[in-house]
Amino acid sequence: EAQVTQNPRYLITVTGKKLTVTCSQNMNHEYMSWYRQDPGLGLRQIYYSMNVEVTDKGDVPEGYKVSRKEKRNFPLILESPSPNQTSLYFCASRIQGAGDTQYFGPGTRLTVL
Amino acid sequence: QKEVEQDPGPLSVPEGAIVSLNCTYSNSAFQYFMWYRQYSRKGPELLMYTYSSGNKEDGRFTAQVDKSSKYISLFIRDSQPSDSATYLCAMSELYNQGGKLIFGQGTELSVKP
Repeated sequence: EAQVTQNPRYLITVTGKKLTVTCSQNMNHEYMSWYRQDPGLGLRQIYYSMNVEVTDKGDVPEGYKVSRKEKRNFPLILESPSPNQTSLYFCASRIQGAGDTQYFGPGTRLTVL
Repeated sequence: QKEVEQDPGPLSVPEGAIVSLNCTYSNSAFQYFMWYRQYSRKGPELLMYTYSSGNKEDGRFTAQVDKSSKYISLFIRDSQPSDSATYLCAMSELYNQGGKLIFGQGTELSVKP
């Protein structure tokens, strides 16, 4: 089954404790992206990757890092999480050139205390 | 002013009703227009995809784009309780290197049996 998976699905942590949210896709997509979803603000892009070792900032990159060492994986790293990073996070992927029909993962609900 | 405006609802209709969901936007460079459906605790899933202006129909769903008015719509005919979800409009520019989608806030729809 073609899918985008994320782990963990739910996470409660404390300020300053480094964490990683993993994202993996099995569709051999070149392009992957991270979004956060907040009430009243909708979905906003954090980082994106056009292919292996090629990443760039989206609209709200502050406080986040990403890496793309393999085509299928695109982890989101919070080096020192803060309460304003409490949000619902989505990973997405698509084939390069396929318009903008992105496929989303199930989401990770993060709470930073 | 947000680039994409969408009435957050909630919108409640009886089963069988015709539902109209709308978004307005300000960026005339948008060329790709999408509607995503998001069930509770799930990631957004692509429902309809349109390039430039015009109409597109898929079963009970019809997407319309009016670029002159910067207005897009999604119509759902013979609505079903299973259509109860949040509907997100999304848009992007033609040469979208970053693959960034600009989302509306989402409209929460409830279809009552």
